[in-house]
Parts: sequence; C-alpha cells; structure tokens
Amino acid sequence: DIQMTQSPSTLSASIGDRVTITCRASQSMSNWLAWYQQKPGKAPQVLIYQASTLESGVPSRFSGSGSGTEFTLTISSLQPDDFATYFCQQSDSYPWTFGQGTKVDI
Amino acid sequence: DVHLVESGGGLVQPGGSLRLSCVASGFTFSNFYMSWVRQAPAKGLEWVANINQNGGAKLYVDSVKGRFTISRDNTQNSLYLQMSSVRAEDTAVYYCARWNGYFTWGQGARVTVSS
Repeated sequence: DIQMTQSPSTLSASIGDRVTITCRASQSMSNWLAWYQQKPGKAPQVLIYQASTLESGVPSRFSGSGSGTEFTLTISSLQPDDFATYFCQQSDSYPWTFGQGTKVDI
Repeated sequence: DVHLVESGGGLVQPGGSLRLSCVASGFTFSNFYMSWVRQAPAKGLEWVANINQNGGAKLYVDSVKGRFTISRDNTQNSLYLQMSSVRAEDTAVYYCARWNGYFTWGQGARVTVSS
C-alpha cells in the first residue's frame, strides 16, 4: 500500500500568508494525486487533481506541484475562507489512500 | 451540477447489517466509476470500495472485504453499499462519491455501530 504522510498536521497562519502543505508518498508514484479542502460538518471538495490541475471554479491562489514521492499544495495568499482541513489522496494504486490531513487555523 | 444524496445511515448493533443508498443526478451516472469513502469521528478519510460503470468490476479495502458489497443500478441512477457483520470500527460518515480522476462527494450518511 502507498502511505501518504502530510506535514504539518496543524498550521497556524494569518490572512495574506503564503502556506505550503506537503504530502509524501511511501513509494514513487504517478501524478494521480488530488488535494481536497474540508470544512467542519461538510464533505470534502476537490481543489487540485493530477497533482497540478486546478479544478474549475477554485481560486487561482491554490496551486499544486510535485512528482515521485513529494507533492505540495500552496496557497499564495491565505484568505478567511481558507481556514479548513486539507487532505491529499493518491489513486496511483489500490488501495487508494489519503493523507491524515492538515488543519489550517488562525 | 453533480448531486449525490445518501440515505440509510443509522444505529446498528455489532454483527448487524445495514444498506446505504445514494441517488445521483446532474450527470450521466452510467458513464462513471463510483465509490464509497468513509470518515471515522475526528479521523481522516478512508476509501472503502469502487465499482466500474457496468458493475462488473468491484474493489474493496482489505478491512471490509467479505463483509461489504458495493453495487449499482444504472436504471435508477443509484449506488448501494450493503454492510454486514459490522464492527465498532465501521462507525463513520459514509460518503458516496463520483470518480473522474478525483472524487466529487455527497453530503454523507452517518453510521454508528454500537450495542
């Protein structure tokens, strides 16, 4: 199984900060990597898929990059609506797995 | 817009059974892989099962193999998860999700396994 390890687990930031979340895979994988945002009591929503493709309607301050075993999600200028938990997810091989989540708070 | 509505969640005793349903709208259901993903209380996300477009191929996470069955009815735009021999560790919110290179999620159905 591919284990996905996110860092940090919690991130305290301020409005306007540049934020980077890292997801490391336990083995080299393809770019079948997605990033989701989840707010309390709500279902996750996709931000990025195939490692770097921005989902339609998602603000351009979100970007994804990486390859092999290391992938990153960057928020260029944190906005109030961005305080949430973020998950990465690989669909390179079964079982599909998620990172444990990164909570971004003030 | 993609719309996925789960139902059938609730309280079930250990060893019991439960069937979750998901009705899809806003897209051509029969064209897409569908999945169930769960999230235990205050925990992360776990992919549970996939089914291909015609229902002929199914995959499961090891922890539910032999106990859960995913199925679909393309005439009803519906996805199902039959849960049997449930355990306390199956307690979670269960999300129906469309797969298109990434998940698009329903609002979730809460399942609690407790005596």
